[in-house]
Amino acid sequence: SAVISQKPSRDICQRGTSLTIQCQVDSQVTMMFWYRQQPGQSLTLIATANQGSEATYESGFVIDKFPISRPNLTFSTLTVSNMSPEDSSIYLCSVARVSYEQYFGPGTRLTVT
Amino acid sequence: AQTVTQSQPEMSVQEAETVTLSCTYDTSENNYYLFWYKQPPSRQMILVIRQEAYKQQNATENRFSVNFQKAAKSFSLKISDSQLGDTAMYFCAFMNVPDKIIFGKGTRLHILP
Repeated sequence: SAVISQKPSRDICQRGTSLTIQCQVDSQVTMMFWYRQQPGQSLTLIATANQGSEATYESGFVIDKFPISRPNLTFSTLTVSNMSPEDSSIYLCSVARVSYEQYFGPGTRLTVT
Repeated sequence: AQTVTQSQPEMSVQEAETVTLSCTYDTSENNYYLFWYKQPPSRQMILVIRQEAYKQQNATENRFSVNFQKAAKSFSLKISDSQLGDTAMYFCAFMNVPDKIIFGKGTRLHILP
């Protein structure tokens, strides 16, 4: 398994501002992912964070809105830019050494007012 | 496109009973993985059990077991001797190799004392 931490655990932000969420894992992993989970809903993959190159975004998510960095094999950030109330969600980081074994972080609960 | 369907939005059972959560999926692929993830209230998502499509034998992890019916594209989770700590949202998920994980909408399970 892997120990994953996310910062912040929760935040309340004003519309129009940006928030950067950090994901740290205790050992090197091959893959890192960012998901969004709207209240009471399922998980939707935002993007795959690629080390040393641009993230791979899923349909409906764009780099300008959700820029992602992954400077090394244990750390990644997701920024939610120019926030609106519709961005209120839980944002989860997940990691994997092999594709069929993903582990999830505790999530960041974001509220946009 | 692959889809995952969980037909039971919410279930309640008495402690110590056995409960079965249903999941069906749709794919034309032959090589894939199926998962059940558990998300307790306000807590981290954890992997409960994984099934490789090429394996005929049903996966088992302690009190958790699956009934994998490949031809029917069905993947149910059985929880035996349910405990209060089993109260959680349960997500069925599918992954085509190598690709992203697709989650169902979840089943909220309440274990009653």
